[in-house]
Amino acid sequence: EAQVTQNPRYLITVTGKKLTVTCSQNMNHEYMSWYRQDPGLGLRQIYYSMNVEVTDKGDVPEGYKVSRKEKRNFPLILESPSPNQTSLYFCASRMTDRGNSPLHFGNGTRLTVT
Amino acid sequence: GENVEQHPSTLSVQEGDSAVIKCTYSDSASNYFPWYKQELGKRPQLIIDIRSNVGEKKDQRIAVTLNKTAKHFSLHITETQPEDSAVYFCAAGGSARQLTFGSGTQLTVLP
Repeated sequence: EAQVTQNPRYLITVTGKKLTVTCSQNMNHEYMSWYRQDPGLGLRQIYYSMNVEVTDKGDVPEGYKVSRKEKRNFPLILESPSPNQTSLYFCASRMTDRGNSPLHFGNGTRLTVT
Repeated sequence: GENVEQHPSTLSVQEGDSAVIKCTYSDSASNYFPWYKQELGKRPQLIIDIRSNVGEKKDQRIAVTLNKTAKHFSLHITETQPEDSAVYFCAAGGSARQLTFGSGTQLTVLP
């Protein structure tokens, strides 16, 4: 089944403790992206990747890192999480780096930083 | 960059009535306009999209219209049902541009 898989689904951590949220897609998509969803703010892009070893900042990149060593994986790293990073995170992928093809979303990761 | 505004933020309709959600965008180069539906606790899923060479597109009870001159597009849901209750997001993008999302509309269909 074609899908985007994120792990974990729920994560509670403390300020400053490094964490990684994994994202994997099995559709051979070139483009992958991370979004955070906050009430009233919609989906805001954190980082995106147009292909292996090509990453770029989105609208809200501060406090986050990503890597794209393999086409299928695009982990999101929070080196020193803070409470303002408490949010619902979605990974997404699409076939090409062009913005006119459908995005496929993962099931989301709800992160709480205390 | 692109800026997408979405209205209303909340919408309640009676079952069987129509619902309309409107979005405006700022970048005249955008040429792809998808709509996503997000049910409670779930991921956003594409329900319909339109490209700039088309003014209207329908899929059963859902339709999207696009006015490129005015830079706005709308989602129309007819004969609403309780299962239509969800958050709906519009987005604009295209070519080498990223997709920019609106802030979402919480649609509630009252029985």
